[in-house]
Amino acid sequence: QSVLTQPPSVSGAPGQRVTISCTGSSSNIGAGYDVHWYQQLPGTAPKLLIYANSNRPSGVPARFSGSKSGTSASLAITGLQAEDEADYYCQSYDSSLSGSVFGGGTKLTVL
Amino acid sequence: QVQLVESGGGVVQPGGSLRLSCAASGFTFSSYAMHWVRQAPGKGLDWVAFIRYDGSNKYYADSVKGRFTISRDNSKNTLFLQMNSLRAEDTAVYYCAKVNYYGSGNYYRGEYYFDYWGQGTLVTVSS
Repeated sequence: QSVLTQPPSVSGAPGQRVTISCTGSSSNIGAGYDVHWYQQLPGTAPKLLIYANSNRPSGVPARFSGSKSGTSASLAITGLQAEDEADYYCQSYDSSLSGSVFGGGTKLTVL
Repeated sequence: QVQLVESGGGVVQPGGSLRLSCAASGFTFSSYAMHWVRQAPGKGLDWVAFIRYDGSNKYYADSVKGRFTISRDNSKNTLFLQMNSLRAEDTAVYYCAKVNYYGSGNYYRGEYYFDYWGQGTLVTVSS
């Protein structure tokens, strides 16, 4: 059972928009800690996608965006492309653990 | 460019020990905190441990506390994870991850993210 809750799967057709939610609690997201997002392509290590809720590292397409409100955060992907098919993870800090927590991951399928 | 290369994984019996290494290059290793994160087969990411840039502070997930020890040798640009009393549920790919700070750079405010990851090393605990 992951500390942060994500939907197991989402799907969308090429060109469409999808969102992935990440719900936490009062010791992590709800306490004001930022959320970061990672993309993991099959058989590879995770790659940073969004940091501090809504910031894109250089090289990440503007199709990827993030937001945070209350105890939840969201990752939005617009203009879906076949290469976006991957697992997506949210991550935050948890004060009760003095460490990082991850969501269970969401598998994105591009139809 | 930043490179993190893990090694030391393998098959070990329950109750056994293993020491993982992560060789870092392409950045000033001694200036950055590091973490270990693991991923069981077909499962999600699971944070394991943190070590401050100078080794003075360490934190562990409850699931490994008392069994795993994170350490580093800044003179050799290497991160370690000593794993003792291994259990079947420790079977996973273990990644080392470099931290990047932002804002005030306060760890206890969670003002960090993982900007680089190694390729991972597989640890299998089985009899």
